[in-house]
Parts: sequence; structure tokens; C-alpha cells
Amino acid sequence: QQPVQSPQAVILREGEDAVINCSSSKALYSVHWYRQKHGEAPVFLMILLKGGEQKGHDKISASFNEKKQQSSLYLTASQLSYSGTYFCGGNTGGFKTIFGAGTRLFVKA
Amino acid sequence: NAGVTQTPKFQVLKTGQSMTLQCAQDMNHEYMSWYRQDPGMGLRLIHYSVGAGITDQGEVPNGYNVSRSTTEDFPLRLLSAAPSQTSVYFCASSRTSGRDSWEQYFGPGTRLTVT
Repeated sequence: QQPVQSPQAVILREGEDAVINCSSSKALYSVHWYRQKHGEAPVFLMILLKGGEQKGHDKISASFNEKKQQSSLYLTASQLSYSGTYFCGGNTGGFKTIFGAGTRLFVKA
Repeated sequence: NAGVTQTPKFQVLKTGQSMTLQCAQDMNHEYMSWYRQDPGMGLRLIHYSVGAGITDQGEVPNGYNVSRSTTEDFPLRLLSAAPSQTSVYFCASSRTSGRDSWEQYFGPGTRLTVT
């Protein structure tokens, strides 16, 4: 089963914060976050491992709650360049990374 | 480094035709995978490989075959194209160990239309 992402879409003004959530009905060994701009390939943002720390770079960070099988992506002080579709992917064991349906983020000036 | 390359960029097939989507990477990655992307469905895993000679099925493998004879190449074969296979296909690769393990690099995609 695919991880479930929420919200499906969000519109922000430049400088506002956003949180994208990802939950799984199966136990996850790791959570992966990617961003895809329209017409382009997905690009890796970060990976969170079971038992690992919250990760982040620049103004984008993420956490992974293993007990709840939930991950959240935090975008702080959003910029126009943050617009795109964000995908969370989960690894439930083995070598399969299964992705959610995506969250569309639009940042306007 | 070219990264992950895919050919062709666009393809139109008639129902029942077969074809091979090509994928190559020059990063010496052990892991390679194929995804299809349909509106509202995200990325769905078709097949994957953890090394030459080793392949396995993903979420939606029916109608597709793969093989991996070299580390660099991972072609995806459509056996008998159907309109339901109209999609954008992405190939990806990653290391399986080390600091950047499981960070997948995606190719530019192949947009396939089956009429």
C-alpha cells in the first residue's frame, strides 16, 4: 500500500511555512522525500532512517515518528523555488521504495 | 558524469506493439529501478534490480519485463502495449551502501502514449 500524504495541495505566500505529512499502514525502515517540478524528474531531498535523527538542510527539514509510522516535511520561510510536487517514499523492507501520491505546493509572490 | 539517461524522450505506440525503453547510468550504482507516473497516482514501482543478473518485481509489474546484464544498463520491455500503459516512465539508480545510499537519481523520463 502506498503511503498517504496530506494535504493533497497547498498554496502559500512567499515567506510562509508549510508542513506536509506522510503516513504508512506498514512499518517503515526509512522515509525518503523528493521534490518534482513540472515536466522534470524527481529530485532527492532527504532520507530519514529508523532510529535516526531529524534531518534538514537550509530551510527544509523532516522528522520521522517510528511509533506512529508518520513523517513530516517542514518548509520554513517558503521561497518561490519551493513550488512543485513533494513525494514521500517508504521502504518497508527489502529494496522497494513505495511512494505516496504527492502533495502539490504552490508558492506565490 | 551524464548521470541517468533515458531514451527515447517520447514514443507513440499502437496497441499490441512491443518496444524497449532504454536506461543507462554512469555512476556505478548497484540499484536501478523503473517507475511509472500517472496523474494523481504518484510514482509506482514496476521492477527493480540490485545488481547485474538480479531483478525483482515492484508494485505494478504486469505487462513489463526487465533484465540487467551489466551494471550500467537496465532496459524495460513492454511486451504487448495497451492503452493503460500510457504514462511517463522514470528510471532511477542509487548506491546500496555508503553515505549517500538509497539516494535515488532519476532520469529525465520517457513519455509513452499507446493508441
